[in-house]
Amino acid sequence: AQSVAQPEDQVNVAEGNPLTVKCTYSVSGNPYLFWYVQYPNRGLQFLLKYITGDNLVKGSYGFEAEFNKSQTSFHLKKPSALVSDSALYFCAARRASKIIFGSGTRLSIRP
Amino acid sequence: GAVVSQHPSRVICKSGTSVKIECRSLDFQATTMFWYRQFPKQSLMLMATSNEGSKATYEQGVEKDKFLINHASLTLSTLTVTSAHPEDSSFYICSATVGTDYEQYFGPGTRLTVT
Repeated sequence: AQSVAQPEDQVNVAEGNPLTVKCTYSVSGNPYLFWYVQYPNRGLQFLLKYITGDNLVKGSYGFEAEFNKSQTSFHLKKPSALVSDSALYFCAARRASKIIFGSGTRLSIRP
Repeated sequence: GAVVSQHPSRVICKSGTSVKIECRSLDFQATTMFWYRQFPKQSLMLMATSNEGSKATYEQGVEKDKFLINHASLTLSTLTVTSAHPEDSSFYICSATVGTDYEQYFGPGTRLTVT
C-alpha cells in the first residue's frame, strides 16, 4: 500500500534553533512531494513541493525540504524557528490525481 | 491567485437533517475538486474526487448516498451530508486543481457539528 509516514506526532524546539520535521514515503514511481501547514480551524496552506531537479527545495516562510531518493525521505527544515511557526504540518505525496497525506506533526516553538 | 472558498465555515444542525457545504474556486476554473474529512488531531481522509459534469468517484468506505457530491460548474462543487448524525461531525475540507497542475489548492474548511 502506498503511504506517507511522519514518525513524530510532536516536535518541540526553542525559538531561534533549527527545526526538522521528518517525512518518509512509500509510493511507486516518482511521486510529487509536498509540505503543507495547518493552523487551528483552518485549511491547509502550501509550503513547498518537489517535482524534479535540485534535491533541496526552498519554500514559504523560510522553510526548505530535502528530497532523498535512496532514503525515500523528504524532511522539512528551517534554520531558525519562530514562535509563529507553531502549527500542524503535513507531508504529502501525489501519485496520479490523488494526494496521500501523512498523519501530521505538531510543531511547537517555545519562546 | 488560486483561492478556494468554502461556505459555511461553521454549521450546527440537528440529527436527521441535511447540510450542504459549498466549495468555490474564486479566480480559476477547477477541473477537479476533492473533498476531505479531518477528525480531531488526525490527518485528512480523501472522501471523493469530482470532475465537472460527471459523477464523483468515492473512496472505499465512503457512502455515496450519504455524502452527495455535485460538481455543476468549473467553479463550484457541493457536498451534502444527508440525514446527518452526530458521528458525521467533523472538519470538511475541499481542494481544487487546474488541469495537470501539480498542486491542490485547499479551502479553509467547514466545521460541521451534528447535535
